[in-house]
Amino acid sequence: TQLLEQSPQFLSIQEGENLTVYCNSSSVFSSLQWYRQEPGEGPVLLVTVVTGGEVKKLKRLTFQFGDARKDSSLHITAAQPGDTGLYLCAGYSMEYGNKLVFGAGTILRVKS
Amino acid sequence: SAVISQKPSRDICQRGTSLTIQCQVDSQVTMMFWYRQQPGQSLTLIATANQGSEATYESGFVIDKFPISRPNLTFSTLTVSNMSPEDSSIYLCSVSGGAAGELFFGEGSRLTVL
Repeated sequence: TQLLEQSPQFLSIQEGENLTVYCNSSSVFSSLQWYRQEPGEGPVLLVTVVTGGEVKKLKRLTFQFGDARKDSSLHITAAQPGDTGLYLCAGYSMEYGNKLVFGAGTILRVKS
Repeated sequence: SAVISQKPSRDICQRGTSLTIQCQVDSQVTMMFWYRQQPGQSLTLIATANQGSEATYESGFVIDKFPISRPNLTFSTLTVSNMSPEDSSIYLCSVSGGAAGELFFGEGSRLTVL
């Protein structure tokens, strides 16, 4: 059982479309992080959300942390081929010994 | 942030042999983490390497199979011993650097065992 459920697992869209990736848990997290990983490279941190209800924007990417700090979402507006990659959510929860827990990941492919 | 270099970036190895992966960080860090990742999938923590003490291994990973060295605050190695095809994976080194425990990763070492 994945401690952080990510959906969808795979997304293939056309350039210009919008999309949302979800990260859900039954546990409370003190913070949630989003990473993007491109083939042949390690994951790179995009953002960290720490406050329930927090919304952060990074150009065309919008990140939201749920009010109860059990879920998060990543919304991409007008996706571009450069957004292609594996998106991972990760977080710390006291329920899991305060170790960083990773979601299963979402593979995004944006076609031009 | 931290700059992390891993060597080798990829290798093809024969069953039964061992491979050592090196990880160099551009700054001193207390803890270094070793992860395993199947392509396109999530990360699994193998162990946490602390300088001056034995590494702490996660459930399912043992020191005899994945010995780790941590000779100083900027360097660590992970050895994959007596390899089998099931060990084919990407191995990633990382360090914690952010206020909320964010991780910085090396580019990974892609291992294929024949």
